[in-house]
Amino acid sequence: SQTIHQWPATLVQPVGSPLSLECTVEGTSNPNLYWYRQAAGRGLQLLFYSVGIGQISSEVPQNLSASRPQDRQFILSSKKLLLSDSGFYLCAWTPRGRGGGYTFGSGTRLTVV
Amino acid sequence: AQSVTQPDIHITVSEGASLELRCNYSYGATPYLFWYVQSPGQGLQLLLKYFSGDTLVQGIKGFEAEFKRSQSSFNLRKPSVHWSDAAEYFCAFSPGANNLFFGTGTRLTVIP
Repeated sequence: SQTIHQWPATLVQPVGSPLSLECTVEGTSNPNLYWYRQAAGRGLQLLFYSVGIGQISSEVPQNLSASRPQDRQFILSSKKLLLSDSGFYLCAWTPRGRGGGYTFGSGTRLTVV
Repeated sequence: AQSVTQPDIHITVSEGASLELRCNYSYGATPYLFWYVQSPGQGLQLLLKYFSGDTLVQGIKGFEAEFKRSQSSFNLRKPSVHWSDAAEYFCAFSPGANNLFFGTGTRLTVIP
């Protein structure tokens, strides 16, 4: 069966520090991968999605970047965190092609102090 | 513009009462529709999804949703709410393979 792993679960980082959140999917190949952010009291916002290794689409210009070095690995990064980067980050995957359901990881709670 | 709206930010129901959470979408064609549930500090769990066919969709945990094209709605229902149903509920739609638009969520409180 397919599983999605996301870590760390919680993270407290100072302003200006770098960030690296990792997401991996097991039990499938060629998934579409996504990073979402959920700010306090708000809905989910799509940040990045990827349809293949090295292929990244950004939905919202901001302080973050994403990379997909391997087929089932998706990384969210920042060189210098801002206070506004605080939030709950969720990784998700869907099977390649239209019609797949989205499966989400358990999320990372990021607090920038 | 493509969007999904959940008009109710917060709903409180008594345990054992029925529940209906509203969801409306704006899209030129029939999208793929989803309902997710999120417990505090947790990821999202898929309750049910509609792609085509029967407009009444059965999901997990006793939930169901009905797609009404004429009203551009996909409301979530449960005949009898349990205290463990207290959570945040998100309606979402996908116009294609590479995007999923979420509503802002409805927080459900269940009182004894």
